[in-house]
Amino acid sequence: DARVTQTPRHKVTEMGQEVTMRCQPILGHNTVFWYRQTMMQGLELLAYFRNRAPLDDSGMPKDRFSAEMPDATLATLKIQPSEPRDSAVYFCASGAGTGGFMGTFGSGTRLTVV
Amino acid sequence: AQSVTQLGSHVSVSEGALVLLRCNYSSSVPPYLFWYVQYPNQGLQLLLKYTTGATLVKGINGFEAEFKKSETSFHLTKPSAHMSDAAEYFCAVSEGGGADGLTFGKGTHLIIQP
Repeated sequence: DARVTQTPRHKVTEMGQEVTMRCQPILGHNTVFWYRQTMMQGLELLAYFRNRAPLDDSGMPKDRFSAEMPDATLATLKIQPSEPRDSAVYFCASGAGTGGFMGTFGSGTRLTVV
Repeated sequence: AQSVTQLGSHVSVSEGALVLLRCNYSSSVPPYLFWYVQYPNQGLQLLLKYTTGATLVKGINGFEAEFKKSETSFHLTKPSAHMSDAAEYFCAVSEGGGADGLTFGKGTHLIIQP
């Protein structure tokens, strides 16, 4: 089965450090989403790209978060500087087309900022 | 703005009993509705989706859901619970077919009693 690959699976870092999370979408999928999951807020959409162009990043704290798609096989989510409140599981999902689109989710990156 | 409310953060049923997980949504346009399941330390897996047409939707693992516009509901059911159904279940809504991302409910943790 085709799958979305996220790296690393786990990351522990100190407050103030830069964190980069990577996502390899399914080949041929033209849309990539980034979601964040926390106990308090649940699943929140941070940003998404279509055909590598950013369409919406309104869910992201702009001052410290950035998302990019340097090529069709790689999406990145960067936090600089990281803070303890950024501790969460970050999911990437990819999909194709419209009309009942749902996306395939990766296994997530569990980030702990101490 | 769209939103999802899942009634009951935890639901406990006996093995073999009916599973009913409740989801109510708010949407300004005809919605697309989804149910996902999440097992520990894994990503989200699509159970079923409603787009248009038949209001009773059948999904994987014996689950089904019925779209009731008058009640703005999309409850998930399974006639007979199995131990392997123990997981977190998320209802989600999209006004754009999912192509612009999903708005998730807070989730319901399903516990199966032997």
